[in-house]
Amino acid sequence: DSGVTQTPKHLITATGQRVTLRCSPRSGDLSVYWYQQSLDQGLQFLIQYYNGEERAKGNILERFSAQQFPDLHSELNLSSLELGDSALYFCASSALGQTYNEQFFGPGTRLTVL
Amino acid sequence: AQSVTQPDIHITVSEGASLELRCNYSYGATPYLFWYVQSPGQGLQLLLKYFSGDTLVQGIKGFEAEFKRSQSSFNLRKPSVHWSDAAEYFCAVGAVNYGGSQGNLIFGKGTKLSVKP
Repeated sequence: DSGVTQTPKHLITATGQRVTLRCSPRSGDLSVYWYQQSLDQGLQFLIQYYNGEERAKGNILERFSAQQFPDLHSELNLSSLELGDSALYFCASSALGQTYNEQFFGPGTRLTVL
Repeated sequence: AQSVTQPDIHITVSEGASLELRCNYSYGATPYLFWYVQSPGQGLQLLLKYFSGDTLVQGIKGFEAEFKRSQSSFNLRKPSVHWSDAAEYFCAVGAVNYGGSQGNLIFGKGTKLSVKP
């Protein structure tokens, strides 16, 4: 158990819909990362937050958005869903300090868009 | 641009045989390098990491990896594979954000390991 929790575990929805994925980081970790894993694209970085502020953006579509709340949990919002958005979405957290720190991954949310 | 290449998509080894999974990276400075393992339906677990110092690093589950700067490689090895090692293995390099703070991981496409009894 990495200490990172993600809900829900599975999500099945229809095209055009909007969903919210939730992540709670490890206790004490201020940085949260979102990744998308699909068969064709592999593991792709979406976005990073640090203590409530956006820190870096990767290959995140405009239809997707995220935020990190004062209690440090994070939500990834996916809207106008398309079939190609079906994937496994991972959240990871890390401490930030003087050294490079390990990222701990949650179990993921599997999104299926029908 | 930073990138990671894992040239082998799928490898099959016999139980008890040795294993080497290849990883090449492209990064301008001294890289932060990682190997993660993903079992079916599971999240990613860190096997080992290299930041600096001794180029041979030991990890969990009997794995080790060797950093070779001249070859831009960070290959993962295990002397004797167990059936429970069947999984997908990902090599990653750690990015650094503008301003020097820790950034995201850049992953290779992964190598799927099958183990024959």
